Amino acid sequence: QQKVQQSPESLTVSEGAMASLNCTFSDGTSNNFRWYRQHSAKGLEVLVSIFSDGEKEEGRFTAHLNRANLHVSLHIREPQPSDSAVYLCAVSMMNYNQGKLIFGQGTKLSIKP
Amino acid sequence: EAAVTQSPRNKVAVTGGKVTLSCNQTNNHNNMYWYRQDTGHGLRLIHYSYGAGSTEKGDIPDGYKASRPSQENFSLILELATPSQTSVYFCASGEGRAEVFFGKGTRLTVV
Repeated sequence: QQKVQQSPESLTVSEGAMASLNCTFSDGTSNNFRWYRQHSAKGLEVLVSIFSDGEKEEGRFTAHLNRANLHVSLHIREPQPSDSAVYLCAVSMMNYNQGKLIFGQGTKLSIKP
Repeated sequence: EAAVTQSPRNKVAVTGGKVTLSCNQTNNHNNMYWYRQDTGHGLRLIHYSYGAGSTEKGDIPDGYKASRPSQENFSLILELATPSQTSVYFCASGEGRAEVFFGKGTRLTVV
């Protein structure tokens, strides 16, 4: 069974500094990876989806995937207080059913003004 | 814009009672999913569906049934609700390599 672990559990970063979140997974045949943001008591907002090794940028959000190291990260450039939320890493192994996701436990990010 | 709508948004149920959570999507996606979210576990897949009439077990199906009567609608059914099923439930829809869209969640409390 695929295991997805996120670190750190919580992170506080000053406004404008780079925020970096990590996610490790156990199955190297996984083929798609997503980062979601969840504001308190709200739904999930997809930030970046990445399907091959390397980097994928969506605005201020950049994902880095290294399948050999079983690692995917999310970097948030110039974070703002409105970016304070829980960030969830999700991994899928199925090309035809990519909603079958295994989630990490989340990283709670706080941005200090 | 892609939309997944869940109802109710909040529900209090009694132990042993029947609970039905409903989900509607206007994305014309074949695949729909039910997840639950608990502190320390992230989101976990309960049931999913490939289309009308189909339901499949996810990773934690025990105590839950699902029903997909049409392309648009997917329900999660708790025949005999227990306090351990107190959680936040999310419905989602997706298709192939396209994005997966989530509803806003249903907070269920079983007392």
